[in-house]
Amino acid sequence: GQNIDQPTEMTATEGAIVQINCTYQTSGFNGLFWYQQHAGEAPTFLSYNVLDGLEEKGRFSSFLSRSKGYSYLLLKELQMKDSASYLCAVSMNTGFQKLVFGTGTRLLVSP
Amino acid sequence: EAGVAQSPRYKIIEKRQSVAFWCNPISGHATLYWYQQILGQGPKLLIQFQNNGVVDDSQLPKDRFSAERLKGVDSTLKIQPAKLEDSAVYLCASSLDRTNVLTFGAGSRLTVL
Repeated sequence: GQNIDQPTEMTATEGAIVQINCTYQTSGFNGLFWYQQHAGEAPTFLSYNVLDGLEEKGRFSSFLSRSKGYSYLLLKELQMKDSASYLCAVSMNTGFQKLVFGTGTRLLVSP
Repeated sequence: EAGVAQSPRYKIIEKRQSVAFWCNPISGHATLYWYQQILGQGPKLLIQFQNNGVVDDSQLPKDRFSAERLKGVDSTLKIQPAKLEDSAVYLCASSLDRTNVLTFGAGSRLTVL
């Protein structure tokens, strides 16, 4: 089985930095994904970590520690359009690749 | 490239009725997924196809849900009979084989009254 935990909701102000944490317990771990989902829209891919360390992509960075079962998504220079849900998803290798999503963290960015 | 197409976007039915959702993945994407997303929750995998074969349907309520992917391209997800708890958005996604970078369709929002 698998267990993925992330905070339900976070708030931050425009221009600030926010870190969204994700912890997981799973077998056959094969990588960790972050997706962004605006209200009423489909999830869109943000980042993928398979090795320990930090992956930077513009204002967004994602970190992974496989030994600790821990990841975070770091959003810098927050903009109002960053208000969305951020979904942590674990890729498992169970004979085939399977992607399991957490419940998501709803981020509200205020002026 | 064209994205993942889904229809209908919205559907309202009464409990015990049936409904079908259609998905056309990105051309060349071998893997197709159906997820159920209940309001306030993350997507839950219902079924995963590799070409036209099922590789995982462990969380598909098989007494009422069925899905097929004919010729390894389009897919249809059917619910019969629907229950109130089936109210959700049904997301179709596809990926280039096993990369697991999923591209999602806009989803089909089902309301069961």
